[in-house]
Amino acid sequence: DVKVTQSSRYLVKRTGEKVFLECVQDMDHENMFWYRQDPGLGLRLIYFSYDVKMKEKGDIPEGYSVSREKKERFSLILESASTNQTSMYLCASSLQGLHNEQFFGPGTRLTVL
Amino acid sequence: KQEVTQIPAALSVPEGENLVLNCSFTDSAIYNLQWFRQDPGKGLTSLLLIQSSQREQTSGRLNASLDKSSGRSTLYIAASQPGDSATYLCAVSSGNTPLVFGKGTRLSVIA
Repeated sequence: DVKVTQSSRYLVKRTGEKVFLECVQDMDHENMFWYRQDPGLGLRLIYFSYDVKMKEKGDIPEGYSVSREKKERFSLILESASTNQTSMYLCASSLQGLHNEQFFGPGTRLTVL
Repeated sequence: KQEVTQIPAALSVPEGENLVLNCSFTDSAIYNLQWFRQDPGKGLTSLLLIQSSQREQTSGRLNASLDKSSGRSTLYIAASQPGDSATYLCAVSSGNTPLVFGKGTRLSVIA
């Protein structure tokens, strides 16, 4: 079974803090993705990566950056957290190729005060 | 730009009923369509993936169909159970976008 894990289920941070969300997958997948999910807006793609050190912007990259130093790990970074970044963050992974089945982690509920 | 719509937004049915969830998409040039289940506060669980060349996929009590030309997919759940209560999300893969999601249908199965 594919396993995608996220470092925290719940996280509370202050405005202006630097925040790291970590995602690890154990199936040697080439692709990894970060989404955020908000009521009424659904899931929106922030960034994705198709290889180590490679990244592509999704629909809403503003205010975020990512890092992929190892194949199994994909980090989402909020350089200076703001209250409008309070959301559920979901990580996913898939095999090489843009249109393969995606497998999701349990999510991180981030609250920025 | 691909848009995915799921109707209804919420559905409540008695236990044992067969039900259909609907998904429509605006651009029929898709690679595949994926159905997910999400329990409150949790991540997404992949239920079924239908490739563009397929008409349907089955897994247990679930059957998903795809009519690419009309831009529609349905998820059929047979003999619903309270444990089926969750939000069901439809997502399509097309163009240069990995997945575009609908906003989901929140299903409640009443015992």
